Amino acid sequence: GENVEQHPSTLSVQEGDSAVIKCTYSDSASNYFPWYKQELGKRPQLIIDIRSNVGEKKDQRIAVTLNKTAKHFSLHITETQPEDSAVYFCAATDQTGANNLFFGTGTRLTVIP
Amino acid sequence: NAGVTQTPKFQVLKTGQSMTLQCAQDMNHNSMYWYRQDPGMGLRLIYYSASEGTTDKGEVPNGYNVSRLNKREFSLRLESAAPSQTSVYFCASSLQGGYGYTFGSGTRLTVV
Repeated sequence: GENVEQHPSTLSVQEGDSAVIKCTYSDSASNYFPWYKQELGKRPQLIIDIRSNVGEKKDQRIAVTLNKTAKHFSLHITETQPEDSAVYFCAATDQTGANNLFFGTGTRLTVIP
Repeated sequence: NAGVTQTPKFQVLKTGQSMTLQCAQDMNHNSMYWYRQDPGMGLRLIYYSASEGTTDKGEVPNGYNVSRLNKREFSLRLESAAPSQTSVYFCASSLQGGYGYTFGSGTRLTVV
């Protein structure tokens, strides 16, 4: 199956600064890469995703970039706010047939006011 | 429109006891999933059902069984609970495959 590695495991930034979280994947056939945000005690929620035919996607303060050659993708959050504090998970589809999602181990982002 | 509903929210079991976690979705999704979440290990796939009438093993299926009762419902059963199964369990559904998962609110299970 797919193997997704995520770094860093924890990240602290000052409010207003940018945050970057990076992931690598193993299956070169993967074609869909979502990012989920999980607040404390809550369910993971999709915040942005990208497909393999696109190199970058933006949604207000959030952007995702994809480098298929290197098999890595990144989440960029600009002008961070305290409400951005959460655990973020990257994921990639497993192309063995069912297109299930395989998740990274998560990054705990803390935005310091 | 409730989305994905999981029950119970919390459960404490003794080693060797059995229980079933229930999951139902009202979004007419075809695919349903069970994941477990452990500290530092992300979300790991236990079992999935790509469509009504089918179920398959994921990354960590040992000690679990599942039933896709109908298109809406997908249950996870622990036949003989072990402390290693202490975890938070999430059910998820999607129209097809990994695109656009919706997660349930989770079940926090403790096995003592």
